[in-house]
Amino acid sequence: GENVEQHPSTLSVQEGDSAVIKCTYSDSASNYFPWYKQELGKRPQLIIDIRSNVGEKKDQRIAVTLNKTAKHFSLHITETQPEDSAVYFCAASINHGQNFVFGPGTRLSVLP
Amino acid sequence: EPEVTQTPSHQVTQMGQEVILRCVPISNHLYFYWYRQILGQKVEFLVSFYNNEISEKSEIFDDQFSVERPDGSNFTLKIRSTKLEDSAMYFCASRASGITGELFFGEGSRLTVL
Repeated sequence: GENVEQHPSTLSVQEGDSAVIKCTYSDSASNYFPWYKQELGKRPQLIIDIRSNVGEKKDQRIAVTLNKTAKHFSLHITETQPEDSAVYFCAASINHGQNFVFGPGTRLSVLP
Repeated sequence: EPEVTQTPSHQVTQMGQEVILRCVPISNHLYFYWYRQILGQKVEFLVSFYNNEISEKSEIFDDQFSVERPDGSNFTLKIRSTKLEDSAMYFCASRASGITGELFFGEGSRLTVL
């Protein structure tokens, strides 16, 4: 089955700097890659997603890139703010989201 | 904005007892899921449900687990005989269709097994 790895497990950046979180997946059939943000004690919420027919997608300060050949995808957050502090989970799925396998998460801390 | 709602928010039970966790998915959604998150760890898939039957389940979802959609609105997860290692946050999620990807999570039900 699909296996998703995520690095780093923790990341601290200064406010205003960029943050990059990387994920790799094992199943070449995976075709949908969402990123979820989970604030402490709250539910995971989708922040951005990308499908396998696209190499990059951007939404304001957040961007995701996908390299299908290498089977990895990355989340980029620019101009980080304290409210970006949370745990970020990547996920991979086959059939555009029939089932999602989540990575282990990255705890991002944005220091003021 | 429509939300997935879950009850109870927190349940404490003795080992060996049965537990039912309830979820009300977003009303026009067709796909339903249960996920588990042990404290500080990743979100783990348990089961997906579509068209009144299980469409996929993980190795975690063994014979002590079952799901049901008894009345067209509720979606329940039953754990027949709880074990200490079942202590976790259980998230229900729903999705509108098989093509659009966004999974909407509920707030979670924290289960503590003593």
